[in-house]
Amino acid sequence: DAGVTQSPTHLIKTRGQQVTLRCSPKSGHDTVSWYQQALGQGPQFIFQYYEEEERQRGNFPDRFSGHQFPNYSSELNVNALLLGDSALYLCASSYGTGSTNEKLFFGSGTQLSVL
Amino acid sequence: QKEVEQNSGPLSVPEGAIASLNCTYSDRGSQSFFWYRQYSGKSPELIMSIYSNGDKEDGRFTAQLNKASQYVSLLIRDSQPSDSATYLCAVNKGANNLFFGTGTRLTVIP
Repeated sequence: DAGVTQSPTHLIKTRGQQVTLRCSPKSGHDTVSWYQQALGQGPQFIFQYYEEEERQRGNFPDRFSGHQFPNYSSELNVNALLLGDSALYLCASSYGTGSTNEKLFFGSGTQLSVL
Repeated sequence: QKEVEQNSGPLSVPEGAIASLNCTYSDRGSQSFFWYRQYSGKSPELIMSIYSNGDKEDGRFTAQLNKASQYVSLLIRDSQPSDSATYLCAVNKGANNLFFGTGTRLTVIP
Protein backbone atom coordinates (compact mmCIF):
# COMPACT_ATOMS: atom_id res chain seq x y z
CA ASP A 1 0.00 0.00 0.00
CA ALA A 2 1.71 3.13 -1.23
CA GLY A 3 1.86 6.01 1.17
CA VAL A 4 1.83 9.67 0.23
CA THR A 5 4.29 10.32 -2.58
CA GLN A 6 5.74 13.68 -3.58
CA SER A 7 7.93 14.84 -6.43
CA PRO A 8 10.48 16.13 -6.92
CA THR A 9 12.45 15.63 -3.70
CA HIS A 10 14.66 18.65 -4.23
CA LEU A 11 14.36 21.73 -6.42
CA ILE A 12 16.50 24.80 -6.96
CA LYS A 13 14.98 27.89 -8.54
CA THR A 14 15.85 31.56 -8.86
CA ARG A 15 13.81 34.53 -7.74
CA GLY A 16 10.89 35.33 -10.01
CA GLN A 17 10.58 31.84 -11.43
CA GLN A 18 7.58 29.58 -11.11
CA VAL A 19 7.50 26.07 -9.62
CA THR A 20 5.09 23.12 -9.61
CA LEU A 21 5.17 20.44 -6.94
CA ARG A 22 3.24 17.18 -7.15
CA CYS A 23 1.58 14.87 -4.67
CA SER A 24 -0.25 11.54 -4.81
CA PRO A 25 -2.30 10.73 -1.71
CA LYS A 26 -2.28 7.50 0.25
CA SER A 27 -4.53 4.81 -1.19
CA GLY A 28 -8.10 5.34 0.00
CA HIS A 29 -7.61 9.03 0.77
CA ASP A 30 -9.40 11.74 -1.17
CA THR A 31 -8.24 14.93 0.53
CA VAL A 32 -4.88 16.61 0.02
CA SER A 33 -3.47 19.40 2.16
CA TRP A 34 -0.28 21.33 1.54
CA TYR A 35 2.01 22.71 4.22
CA GLN A 36 5.12 24.88 4.16
CA GLN A 37 7.81 24.21 6.74
CA ALA A 38 10.56 26.79 7.08
CA LEU A 39 13.78 25.79 8.82
CA GLY A 40 13.28 25.49 12.56
CA GLN A 41 9.53 26.02 12.36
CA GLY A 42 6.47 23.83 12.43
CA PRO A 43 4.52 23.20 9.23
CA GLN A 44 2.17 26.01 8.19
CA PHE A 45 -1.10 25.21 6.42
CA ILE A 46 -1.28 26.51 2.84
CA PHE A 47 -4.54 25.02 1.51
CA GLN A 48 -6.62 21.89 1.24
CA TYR A 49 -8.24 20.25 -1.78
CA TYR A 50 -11.25 17.98 -1.75
CA GLU A 51 -13.45 16.99 -4.69
CA GLU A 52 -11.15 18.99 -6.97
CA GLU A 53 -11.90 22.24 -5.17
CA GLU A 54 -9.94 24.37 -2.74
CA ARG A 55 -11.85 23.97 0.52
CA GLN A 56 -9.70 25.85 3.00
CA ARG A 57 -6.82 28.26 2.74
CA GLY A 58 -4.23 29.46 5.22
CA ASN A 59 -2.57 32.84 5.31
CA PHE A 60 -0.65 32.58 2.05
CA PRO A 61 -0.71 35.01 -0.90
CA ASP A 62 -2.35 34.31 -4.25
CA ARG A 63 1.07 33.42 -5.67
CA PHE A 64 0.37 30.04 -4.12
CA SER A 65 -2.23 28.10 -6.08
CA GLY A 66 -3.16 24.50 -6.50
CA HIS A 67 -5.15 21.92 -8.29
CA GLN A 68 -6.60 18.50 -7.60
CA PHE A 69 -7.18 15.94 -10.31
CA PRO A 70 -9.96 13.34 -10.58
CA ASN A 71 -7.56 10.65 -9.28
CA TYR A 72 -7.13 12.78 -6.11
CA SER A 73 -3.52 13.71 -6.88
CA SER A 74 -2.64 17.36 -6.46
CA GLU A 75 -0.26 20.07 -7.58
CA LEU A 76 1.04 23.11 -5.75
CA ASN A 77 2.11 26.04 -7.91
CA VAL A 78 4.10 28.98 -6.67
CA ASN A 79 4.59 32.00 -8.97
CA ALA A 80 7.09 34.85 -8.75
CA LEU A 81 9.29 33.01 -6.29
CA LEU A 82 10.84 34.94 -3.42
CA LEU A 83 13.85 34.02 -1.33
CA GLY A 84 11.47 33.54 1.59
CA ASP A 85 9.68 30.75 -0.26
CA SER A 86 12.66 28.49 0.40
CA ALA A 87 11.27 25.73 2.61
CA LEU A 88 10.22 22.11 2.84
CA TYR A 89 6.83 21.69 1.18
CA LEU A 90 4.80 18.88 2.63
CA CYS A 91 1.75 17.18 1.24
CA ALA A 92 -0.62 15.44 3.64
CA SER A 93 -3.51 13.18 2.75
CA SER A 94 -6.63 12.20 4.64
CA TYR A 95 -10.15 10.97 4.03
CA GLY A 96 -12.93 13.53 3.81
CA THR A 97 -13.09 16.92 5.46
CA GLY A 98 -15.88 16.59 7.98
CA SER A 99 -14.16 14.77 10.79
CA THR A 100 -11.87 16.40 13.30
CA ASN A 101 -10.39 13.04 14.26
CA GLU A 102 -9.05 12.03 10.88
CA LYS A 103 -5.31 11.42 10.93
CA LEU A 104 -3.10 13.18 8.40
CA PHE A 105 -0.24 11.31 6.79
CA PHE A 106 2.63 13.25 5.27
CA GLY A 107 4.72 12.63 2.22
CA SER A 108 8.49 12.90 2.30
CA GLY A 109 8.35 16.50 1.11
CA THR A 110 9.94 18.66 -1.55
CA GLN A 111 12.87 20.82 -0.45
CA LEU A 112 12.68 24.05 -2.43
CA SER A 113 15.63 26.41 -2.52
CA VAL A 114 15.20 29.84 -4.10
CA LEU A 115 18.44 31.60 -5.00
CA GLN B 1 -1.13 34.49 20.93
CA LYS B 2 0.03 31.51 18.92
CA GLU B 3 -2.43 28.73 18.17
CA VAL B 4 -0.07 26.07 19.52
CA GLU B 5 2.94 26.66 21.75
CA GLN B 6 5.74 24.30 22.65
CA ASN B 7 9.01 24.73 24.48
CA SER B 8 11.55 24.75 21.67
CA GLY B 9 14.15 23.04 23.84
CA PRO B 10 16.50 21.50 23.22
CA LEU B 11 15.59 18.86 25.78
CA SER B 12 18.30 16.41 26.72
CA VAL B 13 17.68 13.24 28.70
CA PRO B 14 19.91 10.24 29.44
CA GLU B 15 19.13 6.91 27.84
CA GLY B 16 16.50 5.01 29.82
CA ALA B 17 14.99 8.15 31.37
CA ILE B 18 11.51 9.59 30.84
CA ALA B 19 11.25 12.47 28.39
CA SER B 20 8.36 14.87 28.96
CA LEU B 21 7.18 17.15 26.16
CA ASN B 22 4.54 19.80 26.66
CA CYS B 23 2.16 21.77 24.48
CA THR B 24 -0.56 24.37 25.05
CA TYR B 25 -3.20 25.55 22.61
CA SER B 26 -5.30 28.68 22.43
CA ASP B 27 -8.63 27.60 20.90
CA ARG B 28 -10.81 26.02 23.54
CA GLY B 29 -12.96 24.51 20.78
CA SER B 30 -10.12 22.33 19.48
CA GLN B 31 -11.16 18.73 19.34
CA SER B 32 -8.29 16.48 18.37
CA PHE B 33 -4.61 16.50 19.14
CA PHE B 34 -1.62 14.81 17.60
CA TRP B 35 2.07 14.28 18.22
CA TYR B 36 4.37 13.93 15.26
CA ARG B 37 8.03 12.96 15.31
CA GLN B 38 10.33 14.52 12.74
CA TYR B 39 13.88 13.40 12.16
CA SER B 40 16.25 15.95 10.70
CA GLY B 41 15.61 16.38 6.99
CA LYS B 42 12.60 14.06 7.02
CA SER B 43 8.84 14.58 7.04
CA PRO B 44 6.65 14.42 10.16
CA GLU B 45 5.56 10.95 11.25
CA LEU B 46 2.39 10.51 13.32
CA ILE B 47 3.11 8.77 16.62
CA MET B 48 0.11 9.54 18.83
CA SER B 49 -3.40 10.93 18.62
CA ILE B 50 -5.70 11.82 21.51
CA TYR B 51 -9.26 13.09 21.48
CA SER B 52 -10.58 12.98 25.05
CA ASN B 53 -9.33 14.04 28.46
CA GLY B 54 -6.97 11.68 30.22
CA ASP B 55 -4.11 9.45 29.22
CA LYS B 56 -3.57 7.30 26.14
CA GLU B 57 -0.74 4.81 26.09
CA ASP B 58 0.93 3.16 23.11
CA GLY B 59 4.06 1.21 23.90
CA ARG B 60 6.64 3.54 25.40
CA PHE B 61 4.56 6.62 24.52
CA THR B 62 1.82 8.19 26.64
CA ALA B 63 -0.20 11.19 25.51
CA GLN B 64 -2.05 13.24 28.11
CA LEU B 65 -4.83 15.72 27.41
CA ASN B 66 -6.39 18.28 29.73
CA LYS B 67 -8.94 20.34 27.83
CA ALA B 68 -9.78 22.53 30.82
CA SER B 69 -6.15 23.65 30.99
CA GLN B 70 -5.74 23.51 27.18
CA TYR B 71 -2.69 21.36 27.67
CA VAL B 72 -1.33 18.31 25.87
CA SER B 73 1.77 16.35 26.78
CA LEU B 74 3.78 13.41 25.52
CA LEU B 75 5.79 11.14 27.78
CA ILE B 76 8.42 8.84 26.35
CA ARG B 77 9.46 6.12 28.77
CA ASP B 78 12.79 4.28 28.59
CA SER B 79 14.11 6.86 26.12
CA GLN B 80 16.42 5.52 23.42
CA PRO B 81 18.98 7.36 21.26
CA SER B 82 16.71 6.58 18.30
CA ASP B 83 14.06 8.81 19.93
CA SER B 84 16.30 11.84 19.29
CA ALA B 85 14.21 14.01 16.98
CA THR B 86 11.97 17.05 16.92
CA TYR B 87 8.50 16.42 18.33
CA LEU B 88 5.67 18.47 16.88
CA CYS B 89 2.37 19.04 18.66
CA ALA B 90 -0.58 19.57 16.30
CA VAL B 91 -4.17 20.59 16.93
CA ASN B 92 -7.12 19.98 14.62
CA LYS B 93 -9.76 22.65 15.00
CA GLY B 94 -11.92 21.17 12.27
CA ALA B 95 -11.93 19.86 8.70
CA ASN B 96 -8.52 18.24 9.00
CA ASN B 97 -6.67 21.54 9.14
CA LEU B 98 -3.77 21.09 11.53
CA PHE B 99 -2.08 23.85 13.46
CA PHE B 100 1.44 22.95 14.52
CA GLY B 101 3.73 24.19 17.23
CA THR B 102 7.34 24.98 16.41
CA GLY B 103 8.46 21.65 17.84
CA THR B 104 10.67 20.52 20.71
CA ARG B 105 14.04 19.06 19.88
CA LEU B 106 14.82 16.01 22.01
CA THR B 107 18.28 14.52 22.40
CA VAL B 108 18.70 11.20 24.20
CA ILE B 109 22.24 10.83 25.47
CA PRO B 110 23.64 7.27 25.44
